Amino acid sequence: GQQVMQIPQYQHVQEGEDFTTYCNSSTTLSNIQWYKQRPGGHPVFLIQLVKSGEVKKQKRLTFQFGEAKKNSSLHITATQTTDVGTYFCAGPSAGGTSYGKLTFGQGTILTVHP
Amino acid sequence: GAVVSQHPSRVICKSGTSVKIECRSLDFQATTMFWYRQFPKQSLMLMATSNEGSKATYEQGVEKDKFLINHASLTLSTLTVTSAHPEDSSFYICSARRRGLGGELFFGEGSRLTVL
Repeated sequence: GQQVMQIPQYQHVQEGEDFTTYCNSSTTLSNIQWYKQRPGGHPVFLIQLVKSGEVKKQKRLTFQFGEAKKNSSLHITATQTTDVGTYFCAGPSAGGTSYGKLTFGQGTILTVHP
Repeated sequence: GAVVSQHPSRVICKSGTSVKIECRSLDFQATTMFWYRQFPKQSLMLMATSNEGSKATYEQGVEKDKFLINHASLTLSTLTVTSAHPEDSSFYICSARRRGLGGELFFGEGSRLTVL
C-alpha cells in the first residue's frame, strides 16, 4: 500500500542552526501538506503544496514539492526555541473515497537547545 | 477560523469500562470526520472515517466492535472505546475538513485515555 516516509526521525539543533526534514511518498501525490504538533498538543496545518516543483515560504520556513510530486521538504532557517515540535508531512491516501483522508509520515521530532 | 473541539481532554478509567469521546466542529458542518490514534513520539494512525448519517469506514486492523463511531449530526462525531483495556491507552485525535477551504484538516485538541 501507499507509504509516506519521513526522515530524520529526530533532530537536535542549537538555536540559530538550520533544520530540514524530508518526506518521500511511494506514490505520486496530487498535493502534500505539512503539519506541526507542539509537545502535548494537536497537529496544526502549516501549508499545502500542489504544483510540481512548487516552493513556498512562510517567514523562516521554506517548503518544497518535488518535480515528480513524490517528495517534499521543509527547511527552517535559524531555528528558535518556538520551533520545537514534531513536523509531519501528509498526502492524500491512495484509493481513498473520502475526501480529506490523509496518510501521514512518521514525523520528525525537532529539539532546539537554547 | 474553523475550530474542532474534542472532549474530554483526559480520561482515566478502569479496565472493562467504556469511554466516549466527542468531536465537534464548532463553526462549520463536517460531513466527514477522521479519528486517529497516536502513541508517544509516533505518527498519526488513521482508525476510521466517520460519515454523517451512515456507517463509519474502518481501517484495516481496527476492530469496529471495539471502537464504535457515531456521526449523528453534521457537527458531532463520537468515538466509544468499549470494554477498555490497558492496551487501549493512547492519545485519540479527531479531525475534520471544512468544505471550500482546501484539503487542510482541522484537528481537535485530542483525548488522552488511560486505562488502569
